[in-house]
Amino acid sequence: AQTVTQSQPEMSVQEAETVTLSCTYDTSESDYYLFWYKQPPSRQMILVIRQEAYKQQNATENRFSVNFQKAAKSFSLKISDSQLGDAAMYFCAYRSPGGSGYALNFGKGTSLLVTP
Amino acid sequence: GAVVSQHPSRVICKSGTSVKIECRSLDFQATTMFWYRQFPKQSLMLMATSNEGSKATYEQGVEKDKFLINHASLTLSTLTVTSAHPEDSSFYICSAKAQIDDQPQHFGDGTRLSIL
Repeated sequence: AQTVTQSQPEMSVQEAETVTLSCTYDTSESDYYLFWYKQPPSRQMILVIRQEAYKQQNATENRFSVNFQKAAKSFSLKISDSQLGDAAMYFCAYRSPGGSGYALNFGKGTSLLVTP
Repeated sequence: GAVVSQHPSRVICKSGTSVKIECRSLDFQATTMFWYRQFPKQSLMLMATSNEGSKATYEQGVEKDKFLINHASLTLSTLTVTSAHPEDSSFYICSAKAQIDDQPQHFGDGTRLSIL
């Protein structure tokens, strides 16, 4: 089974600064999907960004970007110009390819605190 | 965007009661739905995967008779916690996915279950 590791239980960033959340994973598959989800106190799961393993280009979504290093099995999330609303739990997740039958495999999460 | 509706959002009931949670995909056909459980300050733990029209596949350690899952249509899956006890108190969250492989999962807003 694939494992997803988030080694930072908590991170803190000042408003307008940049922060990077780390994620590593273990897999023997060559094709897969990687995701970052945000879970604010409301506990909604909000998709932040996704990356297909076969794509070499790093995904970006406005202030959010990833550094995908396939050989190193690393998938970090960079949040630029941090805002107070970015404060939340962030989960890295892995999914195998092959139709709809595969669930997301989540890391333990990183709690991000944004200070004014 | 795709919407998944989960009801109820919060339920408080007495020990021994059975509780049903509904998960509906409102604007797409969900060939697969997933049920997760989340304890406070922890990650999402997959409980079971349900495919429309067939029996759910449960993860190791999840009691099938305790957590009954039905996925009778392409838009509705239900999780029934039977004879609930205080240790079943948790946050339960569903997600739904269409058949197309590169489409992401869409999450419901979750159900906070409290058993007195």
